[in-house]
Amino acid sequence: DQQVKQNSPSLSVQEGRISILNCDYTNSMFDYFLWYKKYPAEGPTFLISISSIKDKNEDGRFTVFLNKSAKHLSLHIVPSQPGDSAVYFCAASALYYGGSQGNLIFGKGTKLSVKP
Amino acid sequence: ETGVTQTPRHLVMGMTNKKSLKCEQHLGHNAMYWYKQSAKKPLELMFVYNFKEQTENNSVPSRFSPECPNSSHLFLHLHTLQPEDSALYLCASSRPLGQGNYGYTFGSGTRLTVV
Repeated sequence: DQQVKQNSPSLSVQEGRISILNCDYTNSMFDYFLWYKKYPAEGPTFLISISSIKDKNEDGRFTVFLNKSAKHLSLHIVPSQPGDSAVYFCAASALYYGGSQGNLIFGKGTKLSVKP
Repeated sequence: ETGVTQTPRHLVMGMTNKKSLKCEQHLGHNAMYWYKQSAKKPLELMFVYNFKEQTENNSVPSRFSPECPNSSHLFLHLHTLQPEDSALYLCASSRPLGQGNYGYTFGSGTRLTVV
């Protein structure tokens, strides 16, 4: 039973446009959310995170939005660049509760392709 | 260089072989993890070590045996694996909970093929 769901396995966007990657979660104890980016033959790298006390966090071209009532978060990339083409993983944790609840739970990932 | 180094990068082994995967970090992290990434599946947490102590075994078959001799090194010993164990095995490390930005640093992974 997946606690973190990324229902779109792939997304294709034109260079310069906005990419929106979505993530849903089921565990109401999750209070910390992260996005990771993964290129082929490399491990995932941390991109951006958000705590449940916020509803938006921005870092350059990347913005994460959190809607706690809907148990939904999204990653916006504006403008999208060909180098953004990668697999994006959403992850969540129940940091406040600690212990094994603090371990990161990952979604299946969404493969983003940004076309020139 | 990500700060977390995994060796080997690729491994092909027979079902009767014994092999080990190695992970090393010098980031000062005290928590280390093994994840398995299979096609079209989420990253699956296998084992967690905090300060060298195993704190999580996510119902992993005994043919996978982890070892954490110190906070910088983590091994995954493999014995009598099955073809369905073929996957990308990722190691990660992090600060302990409550100590600053809580994100995992991943290695590049070991691509394991069981024949």
